[in-house]
Formats: sequence, structure tokens, C-alpha cells
Amino acid sequence: KAGVTQTPRYLIKTRGQQVTLSCSPISGHRSVSWYQQTPGQGLQFLFEYFSETQRNKGNFPGRFSGRQFSNSRSEMNVSTLELGDSALYLCASSLGSGFHTGELFFGEGSRLTVL
Amino acid sequence: DQQVKQNSPSLSVQEGRISILNCDYTNSMFDYFLWYKKYPAEGPTFLISISSIKDKNEDGRFTVFLNKSAKHLSLHIVPSQPGDSAVYFCAARGRSGSARQLTFGSGTQLTVLP
Repeated sequence: KAGVTQTPRYLIKTRGQQVTLSCSPISGHRSVSWYQQTPGQGLQFLFEYFSETQRNKGNFPGRFSGRQFSNSRSEMNVSTLELGDSALYLCASSLGSGFHTGELFFGEGSRLTVL
Repeated sequence: DQQVKQNSPSLSVQEGRISILNCDYTNSMFDYFLWYKKYPAEGPTFLISISSIKDKNEDGRFTVFLNKSAKHLSLHIVPSQPGDSAVYFCAARGRSGSARQLTFGSGTQLTVLP
């Protein structure tokens, strides 16, 4: 069973640009969550999508957005990039929304560097 | 305001000894707690969890203890092995609605020395 796949794995952008990251969940999983990992801050919750609907949203500015397609694949977009957006962006999938067991399956992440 | 705190960014332990990783939380509405392990260049993987109705859960070499009155949980690894060297994140889940998303701590880098 294939795991969670994130693309691209690494990317470099400059301030002011925008970026789109993609996530394919485990087959059969309908919930996709996005997290930002920075040194010393742990994993900060961005948003969760279930059946193409945003279910939860973390405390991030409107420059961060996402969507989910009918096949459960998800994308997140960051517009007007800032230096502080440099981070590892992790996608996680689970069978249902609300983390009934709490277990998330994470991808390897997309490492974004903003210059 | 960090609701889940891991105050030790790093921990070194000799192989064969016990590793104890600690986590404190402030939100009394958390009802489920988890530990994840992360190797470099990989995503976090689920390790062990505990419900707030229990005070201990054991899985092989890994045991998680929950002290609700102190709002504290700990992960014990016995015996520690070099392959356990990784970053460990604790996470907590709220009871309902948007609070059911996982809130993670900042992580503790465990190094097991051979």
C-alpha cells in the first residue's frame, strides 16, 4: 500500500513569489491535513480537508490556502512568500475526519526555502 | 501560547539504559495523547498513544505515562537502542469540533550512544 506522497520534495523561491505543494494521501483515506515544521516550533497545524471541504483551520494568515479534489488529493498554496515561510511542510492523511484514533500518516514533506 | 510543551530540546542516553522523554500540556480538555517519532528526511511516524481515562499504556519497549493532575506525560524507552535516535514529538487532541486537530510539541532530539 503506497504511503502519503508529497511533491516537490525540495524547492527554492524568492520573496514575493507564490508556491503550490501537492499531496496524495494513502488510498482510501479521505482526510488530509497540512502542518508546518520549523526549528523550535514543532508542527504547527495549517488546515484539514475532508471530502473536498475544509474542516479545520489553524492560526495562519490568509496567504496560506488549500483545497482538496474529488480523488482526495490535496494542494496547499502560499502567496506573497516571506522569509519566515521557509519550513518543512508536512501532509498527513487519515481515514476519517476528527482523528478518531488520532493516528495520522505523514508524508516525507516538502522543504521550502525562501530567499 | 504553546498548549503542548517539550522543554528538553535534546537528550543523550547510553545504549541499554532507559530514555525518558517528557511533555507538559496546559489544556485540560485534551482527551487523547500521542507520541510520534521522526527520522531526518522522513515524515513523523506514530509510535504510541494513551487515552485520558488511562494512566499507562505499554507497547514493547515503549511505555507512556499520563499524570492528569500534573498535566504531564512521559515516554519511557527501555532498553534504548541506537536505532531509537530520532526526534520525538508529543501531541494532544481536544474533545470536540475544531479542537480535535492534533496539537504538537516542539520535539525532543534523542541520541542513543553505542
